[in-house]
Amino acid sequence: AQSVSQHNHHVILSEAASLELGCNYSYGGTVNLFWYVQYPGQHLQLLLKYFSGDPLVKGIKGFEAEFIKSKFSFNLRKPSVQWSDTAEYFCAVNAGSSNTGKLIFGQGTTLQVKP
Amino acid sequence: SAVISQKPSRDICQRGTSLTIQCQVDSQVTMMFWYRQQPGQSLTLIATANQGSEATYESGFVIDKFPISRPNLTFSTLTVSNMSPEDSSIYLCSVGQGINYGYTFGSGTRLTVV
Repeated sequence: AQSVSQHNHHVILSEAASLELGCNYSYGGTVNLFWYVQYPGQHLQLLLKYFSGDPLVKGIKGFEAEFIKSKFSFNLRKPSVQWSDTAEYFCAVNAGSSNTGKLIFGQGTTLQVKP
Repeated sequence: SAVISQKPSRDICQRGTSLTIQCQVDSQVTMMFWYRQQPGQSLTLIATANQGSEATYESGFVIDKFPISRPNLTFSTLTVSNMSPEDSSIYLCSVGQGINYGYTFGSGTRLTVV
């Protein structure tokens, strides 16, 4: 069965620090990959997605993620975080070849940015 | 991308009762899903809502507890039946729109069972 693992459960950073959140998935075939963010009290928003092509994907608010197929990873990065980036971050995978359409989510990472 | 309207946004219910959650999309979509987010946890897929046929449930979720309807390509309902405090969660509707838009989520229904 497909699974998604986010290694960092709770990350605390100071403003301007660099961010990298790990995401690994278990599926050997074609995958579509997503990062979602959930700000306090708000609903899920799409940060970025990877379907094919350039493995370095740029999203909103200065976030980017790199798909490394050999490592089954899709880590999220931001060079300089802001206090407003405090939120819950979720990595998700859809197995493209099976095309069931459903997303499998990781456990989530809580990011706290200190001003 | 599609805009999803989910109702109610929150509710407090007595144990043993049922609650029906509505999901309305502003455009026709092929794929609709229902997720549960328990307190402090990630999202778990309950089922895929299929238009004109029975929903496809994930392991651990059954139709008697979570009946789902999808009469057309823009609307679906999820009922949480015979509720207990363990059903207290956020329930989310989601739609899949293919490569260009990915998946969009509704604002969720925060359910508290007392």
